[in-house]
Amino acid sequence: DAKTTQPTSMDCAEGRAANLPCNHSTISGNEYVYWYRQIHSQGPQYIIHGLKNNETNEMASLIITEDRKSSTLILPHATLRDTAVYYCIVRVDASGGSYIPTFGRGTSLIVHP
Amino acid sequence: DVKVTQSSRYLVKRTGEKVFLECVQDMDHENMFWYRQDPGLGLRLIYFSYDVKMKEKGDIPEGYSVSREKKERFSLILESASTNQTSMYLCASSLGGQSYEQYFGPGTRLTVT
Repeated sequence: DAKTTQPTSMDCAEGRAANLPCNHSTISGNEYVYWYRQIHSQGPQYIIHGLKNNETNEMASLIITEDRKSSTLILPHATLRDTAVYYCIVRVDASGGSYIPTFGRGTSLIVHP
Repeated sequence: DVKVTQSSRYLVKRTGEKVFLECVQDMDHENMFWYRQDPGLGLRLIYFSYDVKMKEKGDIPEGYSVSREKKERFSLILESASTNQTSMYLCASSLGGQSYEQYFGPGTRLTVT
């Protein structure tokens, strides 16, 4: 199973881009990279996922390196409400063909005024 | 709108009591999960279920059991609660197959005294 490594914490000024890195050097060819975030006192929330190509949605952009060993989640214009713990995960195969994510400790992002 | 609900936000139980944590999802999802979250340890998977009456152990199943009699409901049972089971418990569901996007409930903060 591919493991992920993320910095423990980061900070960012409001209105600036927040770039959150994730290392997944043992990822295999058919494993997806997923990002979630968890705002204090709430359950985690799905943000975005990708396999090889860069992805963008209304919340964020995901940049995956060509060798797929690392990725970066980009919040283009961070707001105070983006203060949260961000988890980068890859899938884990399980019985019955279902896929179970393994959450690490994530990166605590603090957006300051 | 997608919804995962948990029976209680806060719960206080005594050591040795049998505790039931209930989770209900209204999205007809195949997969359901129970995690616990402790400071500095991130989310750890206790049990998951990929079908009615099916269950599989996660990373930390000791001291817990689960029940899934209906597709929409997944119960976590602490047969004899202990103080080291004081934690935040999070339930999640996902569609199934290769769908990896999980939807989380608000969590239950359980205190065992």
